[in-house]
Amino acid sequence: GAVVSQHPSRVICKSGTSVKIECRSLDFQATTMFWYRQFPKQSLMLMATSNEGSKATYEQGVEKDKFLINHASLTLSTLTVTSAHPEDSSFYICSARSTGRETQYFGPGTRLLVL
Amino acid sequence: DQQVKQNSPSLSVQEGRISILNCDYTNSMFDYFLWYKKYPAEGPTFLISISSIKDKNEDGRFTVFLNKSAKHLSLHIVPSQPGDSAVYFCAASEGNEKLTFGTGTRLTIIP
Repeated sequence: GAVVSQHPSRVICKSGTSVKIECRSLDFQATTMFWYRQFPKQSLMLMATSNEGSKATYEQGVEKDKFLINHASLTLSTLTVTSAHPEDSSFYICSARSTGRETQYFGPGTRLLVL
Repeated sequence: DQQVKQNSPSLSVQEGRISILNCDYTNSMFDYFLWYKKYPAEGPTFLISISSIKDKNEDGRFTVFLNKSAKHLSLHIVPSQPGDSAVYFCAASEGNEKLTFGTGTRLTIIP
């Protein structure tokens, strides 16, 4: 159980375009979803926390207008990187957690390359 | 301020032997601890967790030990297998809050 999927797994885009990444919990209802970013050879950096039906809470230093997060249902959250630039190239990972459970289950990640 | 630390960036262990990965934390309010395994270009996979009310939790080849007084936890893998080669992250949370991750330890199992 506890499967989380992400789509797409890899995306290459031109500078200035926007990219949407989807995160889905396949076999449970995710009341809370998290978005992380991982730089090469570094730990996971939490970007934001989103609860279904409410606005996301962003970590310090993360631009909310740059990284738009929507958690419209209990099984889907989306991260939109707006006007992407090469420095946004990274590995983005989502995780999901259901009510009353403390364990987060992670998606497989999305590799974003901005040219 | 790194609240969760994994001081060994890498570890090599012979196949069949015990792998011990260590993790230290500074926040005494953490009450839930987890270990994740991660392969390159993949998301972390949950391995095992422990609540602060326990000092040991076992699941198959994996055992997590928690020493609250020392603010230290460890993951034991026995016997180690080649497929265990990966980066291992420990993580901690306070209440039902966000996870704080360590920097990871790269485990290499030598056949």
